[in-house]
Amino acid sequence: GAVVSQHPSWVICKSGTSVKIECRSLDFQATTMFWYRQFPKQSLMLMATSNEGSKATYEQGVEKDKFLINHASLTLSTLTVTSAHPEDSSFYICSARDPAGETQYFGPGTRLLVL
Amino acid sequence: SQKIEQNSEALNIQEGKTATLTCNYTNYSPAYLQWYRQDPGRGPVFLLLIRENEKEKRKERLKVTFDTTLKQSLFHITASQPADSATYLCALPSYIPTFGRGTSLIVHP
Repeated sequence: GAVVSQHPSWVICKSGTSVKIECRSLDFQATTMFWYRQFPKQSLMLMATSNEGSKATYEQGVEKDKFLINHASLTLSTLTVTSAHPEDSSFYICSARDPAGETQYFGPGTRLLVL
Repeated sequence: SQKIEQNSEALNIQEGKTATLTCNYTNYSPAYLQWYRQDPGRGPVFLLLIRENEKEKRKERLKVTFDTTLKQSLFHITASQPADSATYLCALPSYIPTFGRGTSLIVHP
């Protein structure tokens, strides 16, 4: 149990385009999901906390108009990187908090390359 | 603010030996602590949760201890195998969980 999926697993896009990444909790409902990005050999960096039915809470330094987060259902959160640029190239990982509120289960990650 | 410290240097050990990773924390008294494994290019995978009233927890070859006086958790892998090579993260619970930077474990055949 406690499986979180992400789609796509990797994406290559041209500079200026928008990319949407989906995060789904497959076998549990998650009122809270998190979005992270990770650079090579670096630690996880929290971008935002997403609560179902309300606006996401962004960490300091993360542009909310650049990284649009929608958590419209208890099993789905999406991250849209708008007008992507090469510096947005990174590994994006989502996680979902289990109903007990104790454990985060992570998706497999999405590698984004902006040319 | 709460802070987690994990040894940033990679731990190199020989296959068959016991690997011991350390997680220290400050400015916090967590009710529990968690350990995750992350392989390159993959999201972290939850391994174990240990509560403050549990001194030790085991899962197959994994053993975690939790010393609330020392504010430290130790993560042991016995009879280590090359497949155990990965980065191991500890995490403190809060509304926004706090993760350590992780310690890279390399098990040599």
